Amino acid sequence: SQQGEEDPQALSIQEGENATMNCSYKTSINNLQWYRQNSGRGLVHLILIRSNEREKHSGRLRVTLDTSKKSSSLLITASRAADTASYFCAAGHQGAQKLVFGQGTRLTINP
Amino acid sequence: DAGITQSPRHKVTETGTPVTLRCHQTENHRYMYWYRQDPGHGLRLIHYSYGVKDTDKGEVSDGYSVSRSKTEDFLLTLESATSSQTSVYFCAISGDRDRDSYGYTFGSGTRLTVV
Repeated sequence: SQQGEEDPQALSIQEGENATMNCSYKTSINNLQWYRQNSGRGLVHLILIRSNEREKHSGRLRVTLDTSKKSSSLLITASRAADTASYFCAAGHQGAQKLVFGQGTRLTINP
Repeated sequence: DAGITQSPRHKVTETGTPVTLRCHQTENHRYMYWYRQDPGHGLRLIHYSYGVKDTDKGEVSDGYSVSRSKTEDFLLTLESATSSQTSVYFCAISGDRDRDSYGYTFGSGTRLTVV
């Protein structure tokens, strides 16, 4: 299986703190994407980073990519209760027309 | 979710019966995907389509078939439902440009229970 791994599986922090989630993948990629899933809902695309990029920002989100280590991280700064959700990374592998998803990190923001 | 709808949202069916789930899009996107989501497994690809009548298997395709006779509709059929197919099924779409730039758009999911 090409499925990647996410770390940690669950993360609980206080509102206002930063949250960092990590993702590893197995084979060469064109891009690495992050999605959010609120309970009982579909996934929502957050951010995409291409294989030739090292860092990308979008609002309170910061994504890094290290292709030599086949890993990525998602940082959410100044967390809010509304950030409580599961977060998934998805690898767009070279030569493939489909994404391979990690198992997700369940993030809980405590008020 | 805008531009993509799944039906039904919930279904309970008996073991051995055929079941068809529908994904409908209004975005005219080329690519459509069916994933299943199970605890401990994340999302796993069942089948995908890269155009009308063009489909291919994903990593967990056994027991499933798909059809795409129109750009806007992608049907997933469980030929003879089993309890192991109890899951939440998600459809996703993307255009050629989106795959490299903007990611997938997901439907709201179908929760299927096989009893």
